[in-house]
Amino acid sequence: AQSVTQLDSQVPVFEEAPVELRCNYSSSVSVYLFWYVQYPNQGLQLLLKYLSGSTLVESINGFEAEFNKSQTSFHLRKPSVHISDTAEYFCAVSDSRTGGFKTIFGAGTRLFVKA
Amino acid sequence: DTEVTQTPKHLVMGMTNKKSLKCEQHMGHRAMYWYKQKAKKPPELMFVYSYEKLSINESVPSRFSPECPNSSLLNLHLHALQPEDSALYLCASSQVTSGKGTQYFGPGTRLLVL
Repeated sequence: AQSVTQLDSQVPVFEEAPVELRCNYSSSVSVYLFWYVQYPNQGLQLLLKYLSGSTLVESINGFEAEFNKSQTSFHLRKPSVHISDTAEYFCAVSDSRTGGFKTIFGAGTRLFVKA
Repeated sequence: DTEVTQTPKHLVMGMTNKKSLKCEQHMGHRAMYWYKQKAKKPPELMFVYSYEKLSINESVPSRFSPECPNSSLLNLHLHALQPEDSALYLCASSQVTSGKGTQYFGPGTRLLVL
């Protein structure tokens, strides 16, 4: 069965500092990996995804994640965070076994950016 | 239009009430989802509709009854709920592309059961 582990429940960081949010997954088949962000009182928004091809994927707002098959990881990084990046971040995994509809979410990491 | 809309935004209901949550998208997506999210927890999948047919039911109690009247609409009918059903209910949609479809989420309905 698939599972997703986000190793940090909370990550406090100062503005303009770099940040890494860690995500590890387990699956016996090829997977598709996602990072979603949830701002307070809102739904989830896709930040970036890995489906195939280049293992480094980037978002339009400066986040990037690297798919590492040998370490079964998909860590999210940003070289310089802003106050507005404060949110909950969910790593998620899906595959084609259940018709592709069953996405498993990690427990989430709350990123708190301090001035 | 990449928006999923949900109504109402907030709902308070008693344990004997019947109410419905509504979700709408006009992106041409043929997969639609209901999730339940408790505070400080990840979303939990409840139901998935594919081409207007129920394809996944994650053993959700029968007091939750989903309905997909057409390809743009998804309803969740609520009856005889319990206080522990209080949560944020999220609707999402995606293309039917074998796991690769990005899910687009609505803002959710925050439900309080008294």
